[in-house]
Amino acid sequence: GENVEQHPSTLSVQEGDSAVIKCTYSDSASNYFPWYKQELGKGPQLIIDIRSNVGEKKDQRIAVTLNKTAKHFSLHITETQPEDSAVYFCAASIVNNAGNMLTFGGGTRLMVKP
Amino acid sequence: GAVVSQHPSWVICKSGTSVKIECRSLDFQATTMFWYRQFPKQSLMLMATSNEGSKATYEQGVEKDKFLINHASLTLSTLTVTSAHPEDSSFYICSARQGSSREQYFGPGTRLTVT
Repeated sequence: GENVEQHPSTLSVQEGDSAVIKCTYSDSASNYFPWYKQELGKGPQLIIDIRSNVGEKKDQRIAVTLNKTAKHFSLHITETQPEDSAVYFCAASIVNNAGNMLTFGGGTRLMVKP
Repeated sequence: GAVVSQHPSWVICKSGTSVKIECRSLDFQATTMFWYRQFPKQSLMLMATSNEGSKATYEQGVEKDKFLINHASLTLSTLTVTSAHPEDSSFYICSARQGSSREQYFGPGTRLTVT
């Protein structure tokens, strides 16, 4: 089955700096890679996703890159703000007619210091 | 759009009792719902996948007779933890998917504490 590794487990940055979180996956058939933000006591919220036929996607301060050959993908947050502090999870999935079960990384606790 | 709710948001029950958690898709039809468990400071672990009108598919190591899942309609799935024990205390999160859509929309979670 799929295995997703996520690094770092904790990340502390100064407000305004950039934050980068990296994930690797094992199953080359995976074709969908979402990123979730989870605040304390809440469910995960999708913040950005990328499909395997795309190398990079950007949405305002958030960007995701995908290297299919190396089987890794990264989340980039620029101009970080205190409200970006949360736990971030990457996930990998094979999307087909049978469904799309997500395999999650271990999570990264991001702390943005004002 | 794409809102998923869970009820209750938290519950405390005594060891040996059963507790039911509801997951509802409020503005779309959820052909597939997923149930996850999350222990403190850990990632989400998939427990089971349920398709409307079908029996749930459980992940390896998840006891189907202990965690009863019912997906009777396109907007409601329930997870019943039977004969709960303290080690079942966890954060239970559901997600829902419409048709063949890639996105899964997550509920806010239910914190279960078994005393």
